[in-house]
Amino acid sequence: SYVLTQPPSVSVAPGKTARITCGGNNIGSKSVHWYQQKPGQAPVLVIYYDSDRPSGIPERFSGSNSGNTATLTISRVEAGDEADYYCQVWDSSSDHPVVFGGGTKLTVL
Amino acid sequence: EVQLVESGGGLVQPGGSLRLSCAASGFTFSSYAMSWVRQAPGKGLEWVSAISGSGGSTYYADSVKGRFTISRDNSKNTLYLQMNSLRAEDTAVYYCAKGVAVAGWSYYYMDVWGKGTTVTVSS
Repeated sequence: SYVLTQPPSVSVAPGKTARITCGGNNIGSKSVHWYQQKPGQAPVLVIYYDSDRPSGIPERFSGSNSGNTATLTISRVEAGDEADYYCQVWDSSSDHPVVFGGGTKLTVL
Repeated sequence: EVQLVESGGGLVQPGGSLRLSCAASGFTFSSYAMSWVRQAPGKGLEWVSAISGSGGSTYYADSVKGRFTISRDNSKNTLYLQMNSLRAEDTAVYYCAKGVAVAGWSYYYMDVWGKGTTVTVSS
């Protein structure tokens, strides 16, 4: 089955840029989606189709996807961005096709 | 406003059964795929099951296949998850999520999530 690999944690100072990676075999051929989850809350979609933002998500959030790595980039990081972030794809070759990465805890220093 | 409200969680003994419900409002329910996603205490998100808008296609994680059944009643705008033969490892918060597959299943993502319902499997 398809595996998505994320770093367990990423730390960044306020105002700097955070990059959270999601690795997978030829992930560039898949559509990657990203979710933000704050403690005690349900996940929120922040990026879909690799780089599209839902309405209400700040332009500071952006995404890219190429080769074996997809990346969620958060510019001008704010304290309120501290959360867990998960990538997700659909694996068409599997009969259990929705795959999440293990999640990355973003800490704002 | 799009809203998803889960219910039916609780404490159940190992081997027992539970049926979760998810009441949807604010969108044309029958036009959208739906998913259940769970999160064990202190762990990451785990997709459980998905169902197409018509209910004709269903998908399951290996960990629940044969034990859980996803279904929907489009006349009631409600999604269900029947959980049988429950195990301690099924203990989690279960989220209902509205799916988007307008570009095809290969582009599937979940754009709205409920607040979740807690299932605890313990003797």
